[in-house]
Amino acid sequence: EVQLVESGGGLVHPGGSLRLSCAASGFTFSTYWMTWVRQAPGKGLEWVANIKEDGSEKYYVDSVKGRFTISRDNAKNSLSLQMNSLRVEDTAVYYCARDMGGFDIWGQGTMVTVSS
Amino acid sequence: DIVMTQSPLSLSVTPGQPASISCKSSESLLHSDGRTYLYWYLQKPGQSPQLLIYEVSSRFSGVPDRFSGSGSGTDFTLKISRVEAEDVGVYYCMQGINLLRTFGQGTKVEIK
Repeated sequence: EVQLVESGGGLVHPGGSLRLSCAASGFTFSTYWMTWVRQAPGKGLEWVANIKEDGSEKYYVDSVKGRFTISRDNAKNSLSLQMNSLRVEDTAVYYCARDMGGFDIWGQGTMVTVSS
Repeated sequence: DIVMTQSPLSLSVTPGQPASISCKSSESLLHSDGRTYLYWYLQKPGQSPQLLIYEVSSRFSGVPDRFSGSGSGTDFTLKISRVEAEDVGVYYCMQGINLLRTFGQGTKVEIK
């Protein structure tokens, strides 16, 4: 079964850090771009970052540049998002997705809450 | 960045009636490879988003044929020929021509 499973969410204080992970299974992970998308409570979808198959290219939405880092480990079929200098406005459900231009497979999401 | 603008932002539809959602992009989504990178998603209440339509008009696996997509360049439309109760949720368009992906604001569809 093709599947993405996120983990690592939780409650963190402003200025803190968190690392999200996404475990992929059921497909050849190393041959696909991967993406992170987030959704603040009651709001719409916002693309956050994506990474090329071999990790050589990475792109970010302006609001997270310099604070978030996307990475992958193709040997472990794993995608990560290192989030530093977290802000209250980063509070959201974070989804990983397979990126084929469009996102055909999505995980169930992991909640990140930034609050004092 | 490419701005995606949807309308309307909400829609109340009688079961069995059609529904239509518009999506406009600030730049053409037609790539030099001849493909147009416009996608439609549905996020049902309490669920992750799911892909409905890719490259303007191709239905993703398992998507009922009452869903159809059309358009070109910068103007696109998602149509539901006969709305069913299971179609409630928020519909999003998204551009995939630019590696910095962007979504529309979302259109909430509810049943009357």
